[in-house]
Amino acid sequence: SQQGEEDPQALSIQEGENATMNCSYKTSINNLQWYRQNSGRGLVHLILIRSNEREKHSGRLRVTLDTSKKSSSLLITASRAADTASYFCATPDTGGFKTIFGAGTRLFVKA
Amino acid sequence: DTEVTQTPKHLVMGMTNKKSLKCEQHMGHRAMYWYKQKAKKPPELMFVYSYEKLSINESVPSRFSPECPNSSLLNLHLHALQPEDSALYLCASSQVGTQGAGQETQYFGPGTRLLVL
Repeated sequence: SQQGEEDPQALSIQEGENATMNCSYKTSINNLQWYRQNSGRGLVHLILIRSNEREKHSGRLRVTLDTSKKSSSLLITASRAADTASYFCATPDTGGFKTIFGAGTRLFVKA
Repeated sequence: DTEVTQTPKHLVMGMTNKKSLKCEQHMGHRAMYWYKQKAKKPPELMFVYSYEKLSINESVPSRFSPECPNSSLLNLHLHALQPEDSALYLCASSQVGTQGAGQETQYFGPGTRLLVL
């Protein structure tokens, strides 16, 4: 089964609102990453948070990591229509040789 | 240059055809990947190359044949595909890292949209 599971599966909000997506994983990790994918395009790396970090910011993005609960959240503040995309969390597998992507959250931001 | 390029952007092929997908990066990355992605699903890993050697094959059918001619290029040769192989094929690259390529940030190409008739 996949390492990372995300919720919600889909999220629809108005421009200007905040969007929060959650990711859970199963094994110990050294880091967790978030990627964005616009429809039918390649994935773009957003942010990496290490296991010894609890929170990280990048522009309008805020990522938290709770290793005790094996979960992470991605918050997008003041969303824009251009934020409409799928968002995936990604974690290394047990051996660290490959990356496992979560099921993804599809975000729709209405103008 | 942080770009990964993929050609072609779109490909339509019959079940008896032979075609190839190409991927190129010039970031000096020594790990390269092929993923398959179906609509509304996450990318599924197919192959990983590390230092131009195949390090992971996720039990992919032999009708998919990867090749890494040099550290910048990655090919995926396709032969006798099935309609269920229609998908977006993504190439990615990353550093290998000291703790495994799975810990590293991956840079993705735009993908090749494949339709098998």
